[in-house]
Amino acid sequence: DAMVIQNPRYQVTQFGKPVTLSCSQTLNHNVMYWYQQKSSQAPKLLFHYYDKDFNNEADTPDNFQSRRPNTSFCFLDIRSPGLGDAAMYLCATGQTLYNEQFFGPGTRLTVL
Amino acid sequence: DAKTTQPNSMESNEEEPVHLPCNHSTISGTDYIHWYRQLPSQGPEYVIHGLTSNVNNRMASLAIAEDRKSSTLILHRATLRDAAVYYCILRPDPTMYGGATNKLIFGTGTLLAVQP
Repeated sequence: DAMVIQNPRYQVTQFGKPVTLSCSQTLNHNVMYWYQQKSSQAPKLLFHYYDKDFNNEADTPDNFQSRRPNTSFCFLDIRSPGLGDAAMYLCATGQTLYNEQFFGPGTRLTVL
Repeated sequence: DAKTTQPNSMESNEEEPVHLPCNHSTISGTDYIHWYRQLPSQGPEYVIHGLTSNVNNRMASLAIAEDRKSSTLILHRATLRDAAVYYCILRPDPTMYGGATNKLIFGTGTLLAVQP
């Protein structure tokens, strides 16, 4: 089945230690999104790629970066994680910016 | 961004219909009404969307008020697997605006509990 895969499902890092979360898709969709979902809150969009074009949300901290080396993969880099960055990070894809979005299962990040 | 209002939580019994309301009194004429749900420990998943007419698919039905200021997601026979947070989201007509304004903005949603 075509799907959105996130690895790892659980990630533990130390305060200030860079961490990278991975997302891959077999849907061949043009758009890949990264959302942050803190406990008991709704998902919040951090940024997205349309093909190779990167679009950052205005309130996304500089601490968060992303890379999309090819259509299938997209990475979320947190340069210096703080305790407030502990959250579920969700990757999603869309055929275009207007179609329904398909979400992966998420990576739960713990910052010690 | 147009806002939606949903009850924080609802309860249902298994195999009974569930009506999940959403108010969007400031909806514009070109906004589509989308519903996503998020099962425990999973990412959200698309449920259904519509503009003016009622819509049906294999997962649910969407009933849209004539003035479009409210809508109702209908699960015809709730199962335990339908227990989730249901999000009602407004998205602009993609032909009217650029992609920058077509993002999903999740509200607080309705937590649906299904009792056996």
